[in-house]
Amino acid sequence: AQSVTQLDSHVSVSEGTPVLLRCNYSSSYSPSLFWYVQHPNKGLQLLLKYTSAATLVKGINGFEAEFKKSETSFHLTKPSAHMSDAAEYFCVVSAGEGNTPLVFGKGTRLSVIA
Amino acid sequence: KAGVTQTPRYLIKTRGQQVTLSCSPISGHRSVSWYQQTPGQGLQFLFEYFSETQRNKGNFPGRFSGRQFSNSRSEMNVSTLELGDSALYLCASSLATSYNEQFFGPGTRLTVL
Repeated sequence: AQSVTQLDSHVSVSEGTPVLLRCNYSSSYSPSLFWYVQHPNKGLQLLLKYTSAATLVKGINGFEAEFKKSETSFHLTKPSAHMSDAAEYFCVVSAGEGNTPLVFGKGTRLSVIA
Repeated sequence: KAGVTQTPRYLIKTRGQQVTLSCSPISGHRSVSWYQQTPGQGLQFLFEYFSETQRNKGNFPGRFSGRQFSNSRSEMNVSTLELGDSALYLCASSLATSYNEQFFGPGTRLTVL
């Protein structure tokens, strides 16, 4: 079975400062991992994905995440927050084999203060 | 290429009624998944369809059902609506398997009064 835990339900940063959204996962298989973003009243958009290639994954809008197997973590980072980054972020795990559905974390709401 | 579209975007129903939501996937995508999103439970998987067959099902009562047509368009139906069914219902499509990258629609906001 697989699961994902987002360690913070809400993160608040000042514009221009770094962003760190934390995610730990559990999977019986080599997982695929994703980060999605959801802006208010919108659907989810894929930020980046890890599928057993490079452990440092670069995504859209300056975000990146590092897969650390020893720590079972997949934290999302961005060097400098922008007001437009304020949204809900979801860490997602897939078993990566078979047709098992994606498992979503509870989400982290990112607030960016001017 | 057009994205995933969902209709209607907003819906208000009363308890006991039934509702049908529609999802048109990205052209060429054969897998369609449905999710329920609520503030308390977050994103929960409802079911996935692939080539007109339900391939996976989440832990929801039988009042929630779905189907997929030969053109990959999908519908979900909720019968005997309850207040707790109020939620944002999201549809996502992907090329083949559900662990591929999923592309999400904007959702249908269902309010049950």
